[in-house]
Amino acid sequence: SQTIHQWPATLVQPVGSPLSLECTVEGTSNPNLYWYRQAAGRGLQLLFYSVGIGQISSEVPQNLSASRPQDRQFILSSKKLLLSDSGFYLCAWSRREGAYQPQHFGDGTRLSIL
Amino acid sequence: AQSVTQPDIHITVSEGASLELRCNYSYGATPYLFWYVQSPGQGLQLLLKYFSGDTLVQGIKGFEAEFKRSQSSFNLRKPSVHWSDAAEYFCAVGPSFSGGYNKLIFGAGTRLAVHP
Repeated sequence: SQTIHQWPATLVQPVGSPLSLECTVEGTSNPNLYWYRQAAGRGLQLLFYSVGIGQISSEVPQNLSASRPQDRQFILSSKKLLLSDSGFYLCAWSRREGAYQPQHFGDGTRLSIL
Repeated sequence: AQSVTQPDIHITVSEGASLELRCNYSYGATPYLFWYVQSPGQGLQLLLKYFSGDTLVQGIKGFEAEFKRSQSSFNLRKPSVHWSDAAEYFCAVGPSFSGGYNKLIFGAGTRLAVHP
C-alpha cells in the first residue's frame, strides 16, 4: 500500500530564517506531488505541483519554492520566512496513470513564525 | 469558471442524529467529485469519490453521497452521527485543467460539531 510522510510535524521559526519541509511517498512510482497551505479556519491553497523529477509548477507567487530531487521526494523551502508564511502545510500525491485520480494527503506540518 | 460551494461553514448536530453536508459545484462537463474529512491537526482523508455510474456512492466510516446533476450538487450524508465524526469536511471537484495540469478545486469546508 502507499504511504506519504511529512516532517517535521510542527515547527517554530523566527522571521527571516530559512525553511525546509520534506515529503516522501512510498509504495508507488511516478506520482504527481502537491504542496498546499491551509491558513487558520480557511480552505486549501495549492502552492506547487510536480509531475516529475525537476518539474515544478507554481500556482501563486510567494516567498516559497519547491523542489523534487527524487521521484518520490518533494521539498518545500524558503530562504527567509515571513510572518505571513505561518500555517498548516500539506503534501499530497496522486497517481498519474489512468482516469483522473484522487489526491492523498500527509498529516501536515504546523508552521509558526515568531 | 469551475467552483465549489459549501454553503454551511459550521454545523452542529447531536450524537445519533442524521447529517447532511451540502456541496454545490459549477463545472462545464461531467465532474469527478470527492469528499474529504480533516480531523484537527491532521491531513485530509478521502471519504468517497464519484466518477460515473450509480449516483449514490458509499464511502468509509458509514458516509454516503449522492450526485444530482440537475442540481449540481454532491451532498454528503450519514444516518447516525458519532462523536468521532466531529471534524472539518471538504468537497472537491476536478479536474480543472490549468497550465498543463489537472487539479482539484476545493470548497472552503464545513466544520462539524457533535453534541453528546
